[in-house]
Amino acid sequence: GDSVTQMEGPVTLSEEAFLTINCTYTATGYPSLFWYVQYPGEGLQLLLKATKADDKGSNKGFEATYRKETTSFHLEKGSVQVSDSAVYFCALSDGYGGSQGNLIFGKGTKLSVKP
Amino acid sequence: DAGVIQSPRHEVTEMGQEVTLRCKPISGHNSLFWYRQTMMRGLELLIYFNNNVPIDDSGMPEDRFSAKMPNASFSTLKIQPSEPRDSAVYFCASRMRTGSRGTEAFFGQGTRLTVV
Repeated sequence: GDSVTQMEGPVTLSEEAFLTINCTYTATGYPSLFWYVQYPGEGLQLLLKATKADDKGSNKGFEATYRKETTSFHLEKGSVQVSDSAVYFCALSDGYGGSQGNLIFGKGTKLSVKP
Repeated sequence: DAGVIQSPRHEVTEMGQEVTLRCKPISGHNSLFWYRQTMMRGLELLIYFNNNVPIDDSGMPEDRFSAKMPNASFSTLKIQPSEPRDSAVYFCASRMRTGSRGTEAFFGQGTRLTVV
């Protein structure tokens, strides 16, 4: 079945460091891809998305590019801030040829940014 | 729009009691998901509905758990009887599914359940 694999955490960085969180997927169809963020004590919020190959999603300085050839959707940010400390989830939603609408999440990567 | 609304936000109950969690999805959305989040197991999909019909309930832990969606604007997740290992944060999410393309889901704030 469809699945998402993202890098294990926790990830600890200093402020202004470069961030990469790796995410790869397996899917039978042509999925849409998402990154969600969860701040402490809150629900998940959509950070960015991409719905077709080579699309780049971006928001709040974060970016991720849909790479169909490598089945990847890595999250990047050039300069992290303390306020970016949160748990980040990669997710996919089945597309053409997939199942009936499941939304599948990776295990999450906890990011801590130190001042 | 008020977003996905879950109630209660916190629930503390004694082992053996029945617990009912409630969710009001965003108006117009036709898919609804229930997730459970714990430190040990992360975010787990329990069940999801399309157009009020349960599509996949393979994530429901056991017969003590049941979920219903009697109409497009309301869903419940019931645990009877509750056990301490059910303690977790339960999230409801909804989205609009059009054709074969997957859209993003919107999450509620969650219900933190503690079974003592």
